[in-house]
Amino acid sequence: DARVTQTPRHKVTEMGQEVTMRCQPILGHNTVFWYRQTMMQGLELLAYFRNRAPLDDSGMPKDRFSAEMPDATLATLKIQPSEPRDSAVYFCASGRLEGDEAFFGQGTRLTVV
Amino acid sequence: AQSVAQPEDQVNVAEGNPLTVKCTYSVSGNPYLFWYVQYPNRGLQFLLKYITGDNLVKGSYGFEAEFNKSQTSFHLKKPSALVSDSALYFCAVRDTNAGKSTFGDGTTLTVKP
Repeated sequence: DARVTQTPRHKVTEMGQEVTMRCQPILGHNTVFWYRQTMMQGLELLAYFRNRAPLDDSGMPKDRFSAEMPDATLATLKIQPSEPRDSAVYFCASGRLEGDEAFFGQGTRLTVV
Repeated sequence: AQSVAQPEDQVNVAEGNPLTVKCTYSVSGNPYLFWYVQYPNRGLQFLLKYITGDNLVKGSYGFEAEFNKSQTSFHLKKPSALVSDSALYFCAVRDTNAGKSTFGDGTTLTVKP
């Protein structure tokens, strides 16, 4: 059963610390998305990649966030330094072709104290 | 530019009654339209999509949606609601010329016994 895998599922960290979230997209999917979900802002697109190349990261705070795909089986989202306002659930999703739906991971629940 | 609106934050229905969750969209070209469902502490799950062809689309768990080009709508429907349908529902749109989808703010569906 193919699925998007995200680690860790939960992360509690202190303000100022670096946070790294990882995502393994479904094998054969060439598009990867990072979303952030909060009660106040809803679902926000942070960045997305096609064939490992970043296409759009306009939704991401550039001074502290970075997203990469070191290879086709791994996408990472880093926050350095983390702040309490970064507390949210971060979802990774992957997809194939233009008209295809996205497959979401279970999310990483980040709490910055 | 593309946008999507879910005019209702909350929809309440009694079990066994029909349900409708509304979605309207705006795109400059032709739309790809999607519905996703999110259960508590889970990622979004794909329900159904409209790409082209028949305006009535059938999806998972007995859900269906009708694409209405003149009204730019893609409402989600189910003839007989179940308590287990209670969840958060997201509509999403992607212009055929765009690489990413835009999600609505979500509608919380509550089905009461």
